[in-house]
Parts: sequence; structure tokens; C-alpha cells
Amino acid sequence: EADIYQTPRYLVIGTGKKITLECSQTMGHDKMYWYQQDPGMELHLIHYSYGVNSTEKGDLSSESTVSRIRTEHFPLTLESARPSHTSQYLCASSGSGTSVRETQYFGPGTRLLVL
Amino acid sequence: AQSVTQLGSHVSVSEGALVLLRCNYSSSVPPYLFWYVQYPNQGLQLLLKYTSAATLVKGINGFEAEFKKSETSFHLTKPSAHMSDAAEYFCAVSAGDTGRRALTFGSGTRLQVQP
Repeated sequence: EADIYQTPRYLVIGTGKKITLECSQTMGHDKMYWYQQDPGMELHLIHYSYGVNSTEKGDLSSESTVSRIRTEHFPLTLESARPSHTSQYLCASSGSGTSVRETQYFGPGTRLLVL
Repeated sequence: AQSVTQLGSHVSVSEGALVLLRCNYSSSVPPYLFWYVQYPNQGLQLLLKYTSAATLVKGINGFEAEFKKSETSFHLTKPSAHMSDAAEYFCAVSAGDTGRRALTFGSGTRLQVQP
């Protein structure tokens, strides 16, 4: 079973605050992803990483930034939160190479509310 | 480019009835296809996946899906619905370059199961 963790699960914060959403996986996966999901809507990829020191923007433009200093850790940062950032953020990871390892495993998500 | 269309944002069935959730995909290369389930306030859980092996794929919780290339479809079925099946279901396609393999999600189908 997949082991991928996100903290916090829920966050309510005021406008202008800096926030970091944590994501960690213990599977040694090379690839990690951040998706944004508004209530009742599909997921949109906002960031992904092939490995350490590799990050790229996804399909949906986002004001957030990410870093990948360690294989297991892929934090997402918002320098100045705004109400438009209110959403659910889902982290995922996958291995690389064979098709069997293409499956993405998801964390439980972080629900962010910016007041 | 790749895309997924899920027909029907809401599906309601009676307990014990057949479940059919529709998914059509578009991809310029042979795709990998996935069905995920999302329970309230949780992340996504993989139900099943198609990765170019058998066209009929069996997943967890009694679900299965059949890949039909001629119809570009990957519909999800379960012979007999259970109350615990009530959730949001997402179809996803992965058909990018080998290095990326990010997922493109459909808009989701909310399954209601009536007693």
C-alpha cells in the first residue's frame, strides 16, 4: 500500500500570510506531483518533479512554488495567500521506468481556506 | 495532447443495481487509463488501471473496466451496487512523453446509491 502524507489536512489562514503545504512519501518514488482541486471539480496539475532538484510547472497556472531537495519531500509554498487560493491541494507520487510503476498514489489532501 | 470526458456528473442507482460510469478518452499515443475513487474529505484511491495488457481490467471492491480502442472508451462497471460505493469517481489518462507521464483527469462522476 502507498505511503504518502500531507500536512496539514486543513488550514484556515488570513490573506497575505505565507504558507507551506507539506508532502512526503516513503516509497522512494522519483516523480511527485501537486494537483489543485476545487469542490466538485476535476484535478488540475500545477507542479511536478522528476527527481531531486527537478521541478516544472503543470497545466494550470499557479502562483505557488515548489522545491525538491530530497527525494521523499515535495513542499508547496504560497508566499502571500489570497482568497483565490482557496482549494484542495493533492500531492501524488509515482515511480519511473516500467508501466507497472506508472501508477500515481495520492495523499489525503490539504483543504486550504484563505479568508 | 490527451483528454478525458466523463459522461454524467451525477449517477444514481439503487442498491444491488448495475453501476455504469462512462469514460471516453482522447490520446495521440497508446494511453494508460485509470479509475480513481474519492470519498468525502479524502484523497484519491486507485480502483484499477489499464496499461496495455488485458483489455478487461479488474479492480478493487468488485469494479472492473474494459478498454475499447475502437470506441476510445474505458467505462467502469460493477454488477451490484453497495451503499459504500457512494463516492466521486475520476477517470484519468496518461499518455504524455515517457519522462512526464502526468495524469489528465475527467471532471468526475458522483455516484449515489439509493437504499
